[in-house]
Amino acid sequence: ELKVEQNPLFLSMQEGKNYTIYCNYSTTSDRLYWYRQDPGKSLESLFVLLSNGAVKQEGRLMASLDTKARLSTLHITAAVHDLSATYFCAARRSMYSGGGADGLTFGKGTHLIIQP
Amino acid sequence: NAGVTQTPKFRILKIGQSMTLQCTQDMNHNYMYWYRQDPGMGLKLIYYSVGAGITDKGEVPNGYNVSRSTTEDFPLRLELAAPSQTSVYFCASNPSGYNEQFFGPGTRLTVL
Repeated sequence: ELKVEQNPLFLSMQEGKNYTIYCNYSTTSDRLYWYRQDPGKSLESLFVLLSNGAVKQEGRLMASLDTKARLSTLHITAAVHDLSATYFCAARRSMYSGGGADGLTFGKGTHLIIQP
Repeated sequence: NAGVTQTPKFRILKIGQSMTLQCTQDMNHNYMYWYRQDPGMGLKLIYYSVGAGITDKGEVPNGYNVSRSTTEDFPLRLELAAPSQTSVYFCASNPSGYNEQFFGPGTRLTVL
């Protein structure tokens, strides 16, 4: 069964600092996704990572994927207050990870607060 | 393009009542999904559909039913509501199973 674990679950940091959120998944998955959720809102897609060594960047956020280690990271560079949100990673279910052929398995999310 | 729309936005149900959560997408996506999000948790897959007439169970299907008679609509039915079904329900869609999923605004359901 596919399981996704994120850490940390809660992170408070100051503007201008760098930090990394980690996402481990338990079995083979062919896609890794990062989403952002603001309080009381829906989920916004940030990145889709397709293959080992994939790296994607958008502004101050950079995501990477190591399929051998079953690890993805979301790196925040020079954080600003607007990046305060909850960040979720999710792995795509497949018949090879058990339990069904589609849909996403989510981590619990990392609640990020960036203080001035 | 309205994207993925959900109705209602909020609903309070009494234990044992039934209701249907509506989900519509106007992007002609084949794949549609229902997730629930409990407080402080990630989303869990309830049901999904890979096309009209085809549905399958996700991680937490008990107490729910779905149907997919058209490409656009994917309603979620709750029968005999229970307090454990208090949650925020999100519908999502994508053109194929591999792409990013586009999420609706959610329905906040409370069962008392």
